[in-house]
Order: sequence, then C-alpha cells, then structure tokens
Amino acid sequence: EDKVVQSPLSLVVHEGDTVTLNCSYEVTNFRSLLWYKQEKKAPTFLFMLTSSGIEKKSGRLSSILDKKELFSILNITATQTGDSAVYLCAVKLSGAGSYQLTFGKGTKLSVIP
Amino acid sequence: DAGITQSPRHKVTETGTPVTLRCHQTENHRYMYWYRQDPGHGLRLIHYSYGVKDTDKGEVSDGYSVSRSKTEDFLLTLESATSSQTSVYFCAIRPPGSGTDTQYFGPGTRLTVL
Repeated sequence: EDKVVQSPLSLVVHEGDTVTLNCSYEVTNFRSLLWYKQEKKAPTFLFMLTSSGIEKKSGRLSSILDKKELFSILNITATQTGDSAVYLCAVKLSGAGSYQLTFGKGTKLSVIP
Repeated sequence: DAGITQSPRHKVTETGTPVTLRCHQTENHRYMYWYRQDPGHGLRLIHYSYGVKDTDKGEVSDGYSVSRSKTEDFLLTLESATSSQTSVYFCAIRPPGSGTDTQYFGPGTRLTVL
C-alpha cells in the first residue's frame, strides 16, 4: 500500500524561528512530490519536486527531495504569523491509471508572536 | 485563482436524502477530481474524470457517484447520505502539460449529514 507520512503532526514556534517539516514516502513508481499550504480554506500549491537534490525556493520557503532516502523537507525561515497553516505533502505516481495524488495527513504549524 | 467554483459552499442534510455537489471550472481543463478531507485522514480521492463522460473511482468511492456531461462541470452525488459522509469536499483540476502533476483546488463544500 502506498504511504505518505508527515512529521511532526503539529508544531508551535515563535515568530522569527526557522522550521523544518518532513515528508517520507513508501510508494511504487514515484513520479513527483508536491507541497501545499492549507489555511482555513482550500490547499494552495507551493512546490513540485521531481529530481533529487535540487532545491526549490520561493521567498522564505524552500524544499528539497531525496529520492534515495525517500523523503522531502520543507523549510521556512524567519517565520511569521501568516505562516500558520497546515502543510500538506502529496506524492504522484507514474504509470497508466495513476491519476491521483496520495496525501499525507499534514503538519499543523502555529507561529506565535 | 484556478477558476474553480463549488456549490453549495455549505449544506446540512438528513440521513437518507440525496445530495449533489457541483464543481465548475472556467478553463476547460480535461482532468477534474473530487476529494474529501476528514480529521486524521487527510485528503482522499473519491472519483476523478479525464474527459466528458470519462470517469473512474478513487480510493473512497463507495456511496458516491459522479457525472461529467460538459467539460466545465463535474458533479458528485451522494445517493443516500449517511453521517459518515459528513466532511469537507474539495474539487480539483489539473492543467494540461506532461511536465506538471500539480492539482489546483476549489474553495470546498462543507457537508453535514444529521
């Protein structure tokens, strides 16, 4: 059974801290890994990673994939209260009929002033 | 904004009644998806569509049916709603292009079955 596991499940930090969120996966026929941010509404897309060792970056957020060790991390530097959200990791498989994303349960990040 | 709307945004219904949720997109994307999101389970795929009249089951399809008679609309029907179907339902689309697996989500429908 394909599995995506995120850790920690929840995290409380102070503004200005740096955080690292983890996503590990056990799937057949890996194609890509995606990160989403979900506030009290729909998930919004952050990054898609397909190649090992290549960092994707957007402002204070960055992510990297390790296909050998089957995990990805999402880093957020100089956190702000607006970063408070649930961060979702999802994996896309390759092959015929692999249309869906398999999601982890998410990491709830709370940033306190 | 991926041009996706969902209706209704909130619905309260009673056990045993039929319910239809609508997803509408303005970009004529081929691929559309219905997910449900529940505490402790994350997002799970119910059904998806890869074109007009082309649909298939996802991970948690029991108790749900779908229809897609037009490119822009993807309907999710609960034939006889049960309390276990209380959830938040998200529609998603995937833009074309072999290089992208990204799905974009609609605003969601919160369904409560009493």
